[in-house]
Amino acid sequence: DADVTQTPRNRITKTGKRIMLECSQTKGHDRMYWYRQDPGLGLRLIYYSFDVKDINKGEISDGYSVSRQAQAKFSLSLESAIPNQTALYFCATSDGGQFHEQFFGPGTRLTVL
Amino acid sequence: AQTVTQSQPEMSVQEAETVTLSCTYDTSENNYYLFWYKQPPSRQMILVIRQEAYKQQNATENRFSVNFQKAAKSFSLKISDSQLGDTAMYFCAFSTNAGGTSYGKLTFGQGTILTVHP
Repeated sequence: DADVTQTPRNRITKTGKRIMLECSQTKGHDRMYWYRQDPGLGLRLIYYSFDVKDINKGEISDGYSVSRQAQAKFSLSLESAIPNQTALYFCATSDGGQFHEQFFGPGTRLTVL
Repeated sequence: AQTVTQSQPEMSVQEAETVTLSCTYDTSENNYYLFWYKQPPSRQMILVIRQEAYKQQNATENRFSVNFQKAAKSFSLKISDSQLGDTAMYFCAFSTNAGGTSYGKLTFGQGTILTVHP
């Protein structure tokens, strides 16, 4: 089974709808991250969490919110989706150890019409 | 703030040949890590290779090696004996080893699409 899972894998929604992307991990890591990927821009950090009680904004947090329900779960919400939030979204985890390696989920392709 | 730049949006190479992907970065930090991630058509992000800034020796992983030039803030990836399975988007990424809230966060470049032709 995959160590980092994301649901849904693909989603099409309409402008103004609320949508939640979910991430779960079995790696036992404390740190979790949400990124979005856009063509020509690479991956950009939306939010990150170093433990259940710690939530931090990344470089592009406007229009998004997150919830860290447990060590293993980190959800990303779009309260009122807009077309320019159409992107590929990745969740990642890290143990915060020496080498800073992050482990990524399979991604969620979100389309906002 | 750190920035990472990949100036080659697309590259192509013939199978079995060698190709080099470029990456430059900007930071005031002295202690950091650099990474190359591969993203094949499956979308999965896969770590290819990692370089610790305090190490002068260039990292190598089988057919993948880097040319790390700390003073020039350059971190290129060389793929030898290219294979069809190397076709993917490649991302360069930076992570500071300094303390505080930036610790462990990844900053990515724009990506380079590599196509390996048979």
